Amino acid sequence: AQRVTQPEKLLSVFKGAPVELKCNYSYSGSPELFWYVQYSRQRLQLLLRHISRESIKGFTADLNKGETSFHLKKPFAQEEDSAMYYCALNLYQGAQKLVFGQGTRLTINP
Amino acid sequence: KAGVTQTPRYLIKTRGQQVTLSCSPISGHRSVSWYQQTPGQGLQFLFEYFSETQRNKGNFPGRFSGRQFSNSRSEMNVSTLELGDSALYLCASSLGAGLTEAFFGQGTRLTVV
Repeated sequence: AQRVTQPEKLLSVFKGAPVELKCNYSYSGSPELFWYVQYSRQRLQLLLRHISRESIKGFTADLNKGETSFHLKKPFAQEEDSAMYYCALNLYQGAQKLVFGQGTRLTINP
Repeated sequence: KAGVTQTPRYLIKTRGQQVTLSCSPISGHRSVSWYQQTPGQGLQFLFEYFSETQRNKGNFPGRFSGRQFSNSRSEMNVSTLELGDSALYLCASSLGAGLTEAFFGQGTRLTVV
């Protein structure tokens, strides 16, 4: 079954510390993976997609097909990174059917 | 450009009633998808419409239905409401081909009493 697992519901780190939000997926095909972020009282928005291999707001994510993981990383956390983060897998290339993980609430402590 | 717009933002309905939610996608986007968000189940895919045709469907009962108009606007209908239908319903639009980046609306908060 296609599934996305985010093992940590809550993650708290200090400002300036490294951050890693874990995401594991289960999918038999070639995965199309995304990280979405939801800041307080804002809509869900795309942070990263694996295919572009870009860095947004200092965050990067590498697809590891061997470990079926797509962990989100940032070397130095900032207070404005506090938000809810969702890992998502698109089941149909060219179409849209996103399977989301349960989300990780990241809190950056000053 | 204007983002995805969902109306209404809040709704309170009684068990057994039916409800219609509306979603206006970003101009030029032909795909509209709907998701249900609850504290227990998280974000779950309901269905996707592309060029007025349902292209993908999630695992929800037939009480949940939708449609898309020629201008790409979409509506979602839930009939015979149950208490468990209380949720935030999110709509997302995308180009529908090639790039599948989804842009989400603010959602409609439905409360069934």
